[in-house]
Amino acid sequence: EMQLVESGGGLVQPGGSLRLSCAASGFIFSSYRMDWVRQVPGKELVWVAHVSPDGSTTYYADSVKGRFTIFRDNAKNAVYLQVNSLRAEDTAVYYCTNFDYWGPGTLVTVSS
Amino acid sequence: DVVMTQSPLSLPVTLGQPASISCRSSQSLVSSDGNTYLYWYHQRPGQSPRLLIHRVSKRDSGVPDRFSGSGSGIDFTLKINRVEAEDVGVYYCMQLTHWPPYTFGQGTKLEIK
Repeated sequence: EMQLVESGGGLVQPGGSLRLSCAASGFIFSSYRMDWVRQVPGKELVWVAHVSPDGSTTYYADSVKGRFTIFRDNAKNAVYLQVNSLRAEDTAVYYCTNFDYWGPGTLVTVSS
Repeated sequence: DVVMTQSPLSLPVTLGQPASISCRSSQSLVSSDGNTYLYWYHQRPGQSPRLLIHRVSKRDSGVPDRFSGSGSGIDFTLKINRVEAEDVGVYYCMQLTHWPPYTFGQGTKLEIK
């Protein structure tokens, strides 16, 4: 069974950093693109970042470009999102997904 | 960026009755490979999204056949034949043809009358 499990969220002050992790299992991880999508509770889904199956290509939403970095380790079946220079508007649940399946999400709260 | 517009945003439905959600894109979603990458997701309260339909009309594994997708070009529809209690939540359309960025509709909240 395909499974994705995020971790690493939490409460962080404005300007702070976190590293979100997503552990994958149940599918050939190295064959799938992986993405992060976020959602402010009660609001719509917003795409954040993409990494190609081999990790060589990445794309970012304009709102996070230069502050967030997506990368993956195919040997560990994991994808990561390094989030720096956090702002209040980055507060959201962050989902890891290959668009066939989504993890349960990890909540990032940016507040002083 | 491709803008995805859903309607209605709120959909009260009686159990056992049909429901229909529309999704319109700001440009054609036909890809250069001939496929149309329009997906539908269902998100129950407190849960992550679940894939229902991919490429306009293909039901994902385990999705009940009361769900169906149709459409082409810029106009797409998700239909539920007979709404059941477990169908409550928010439905999102999403396009994967013109990216980055991938873009979602605003969501349609289905509730039982």
